[in-house]
Amino acid sequence: DGGITQSPKYLFRKEGQNVTLSCEQNLNHDAMYWYRQDPGQGLRLIYYSQIVNDFQKGDIAEGYSVSREKKESFPLTVTSAQKNPTAFYLCASTQLANTGELFFGEGSRLTVL
Amino acid sequence: QKEVEQNSGPLSVPEGAIASLNCTYSDRGSQSFFWYRQYSGKSPELIMSIYSNGDKEDGRFTAQLNKASQYVSLLIRDSQPSDSATYLCAGDYKLSFGAGTTVTVRA
Repeated sequence: DGGITQSPKYLFRKEGQNVTLSCEQNLNHDAMYWYRQDPGQGLRLIYYSQIVNDFQKGDIAEGYSVSREKKESFPLTVTSAQKNPTAFYLCASTQLANTGELFFGEGSRLTVL
Repeated sequence: QKEVEQNSGPLSVPEGAIASLNCTYSDRGSQSFFWYRQYSGKSPELIMSIYSNGDKEDGRFTAQLNKASQYVSLLIRDSQPSDSATYLCAGDYKLSFGAGTTVTVRA
């Protein structure tokens, strides 16, 4: 079955540590996105990538980094520079860039201890 | 100003009633709009897309787009307890999402 796989589902981190969240898709989609969701709030765009080896900052990119070395993969690193990293992180993809028909992974819940 | 805004608070409706959700947007560029449903603790799933002015119906769901007034709405007819979720509105410009409206359908 085609879909988006995010791992890990739950992650605990000590302050000052970098963590990397994995996102893999087998939908052959060109564009991939990372969103952050805080309790009671909507989704805020962190980074997006429309093609391999290219990505753009979203609204809240500070403290995060990404890479897009393969079409199928778009990992997100939450660095120690991110002041409030505890959140629900969602990866999504879409066949064509700039369309809103997103397919989401199941999400990764990061908690900083 | 955010690109897409959902300002209505939690919505509680009795089973079988119509739930009405609204979303407004700025004029910065979205042409198409999307409604996502998100159950508690889960990821969003697309339930409706609307690309032009007017109404679009899909089963018990109707999306309405009014570009002159810059609003998008979603009607859920014959609401069921399984419709209890948070509904997110999104525009295609920068894929901007509203904060969501939480709907509770009372049995």
